[in-house]
Amino acid sequence: GAGVSQSPSNKVTEKGKDVELRCDPISGHTALYWYRQSLGQGLEFLIYFQGNSAPDKSGLPSDRFSAERTGGSVSTLTIQRTQQEDSAVYLCASSLRLRTGPTGELFFGEGSRLTVL
Amino acid sequence: GQNIDQPTEMTATEGAIVQINCTYQTSGFNGLFWYQQHAGEAPTFLSYNVLDGLEEKGRFSSFLSRSKGYSYLLLKELQMKDSASYLCAVTGGSYIPTFGRGTSLIVHP
Repeated sequence: GAGVSQSPSNKVTEKGKDVELRCDPISGHTALYWYRQSLGQGLEFLIYFQGNSAPDKSGLPSDRFSAERTGGSVSTLTIQRTQQEDSAVYLCASSLRLRTGPTGELFFGEGSRLTVL
Repeated sequence: GQNIDQPTEMTATEGAIVQINCTYQTSGFNGLFWYQQHAGEAPTFLSYNVLDGLEEKGRFSSFLSRSKGYSYLLLKELQMKDSASYLCAVTGGSYIPTFGRGTSLIVHP
């Protein structure tokens, strides 16, 4: 596609349920990032993929959060047993970054707004 | 770790010039980004500085001083559509961009 695509755009769920958020990066972009943005807060880094591997998972807030990337393309962020504090906009970005070297411009998707009731 | 500081909110008048400052502390430095984010939309890239000095791109310019841990984004000839949040992001040794909380700019007539 022309840009980074994320789905769903909006998700309302009940506390305790699991959710999956999907990111389809720009074709050919090897690097993929997940961030989350809470109201009035900056972008909080969650996880970074280079190809299918995740060299940096340091931002995942708890073991309820996991992510995978397959075929060097689509990524899924899974949140298990959601809590109200998980409510945020989850943003995915991709770039042409090589395994070593400068980050390059990040291209962001529109985000998935998660509301946990 | 990294620490990035920028003002929470600024207001300016249409047609004027505004400067949004960003100070940072980082272990290792590999570049500084500015992004623009309109409410409810994705952040979009504005500029990237890795060397000291001023980078100009149309109405927007970005300045970097690595020794001072300081950058600014300069917006000239402000337009109403420039009302948005401006995010400063720094890449350190890991090359993972760390974002500040953003500066909400309000442009009024």
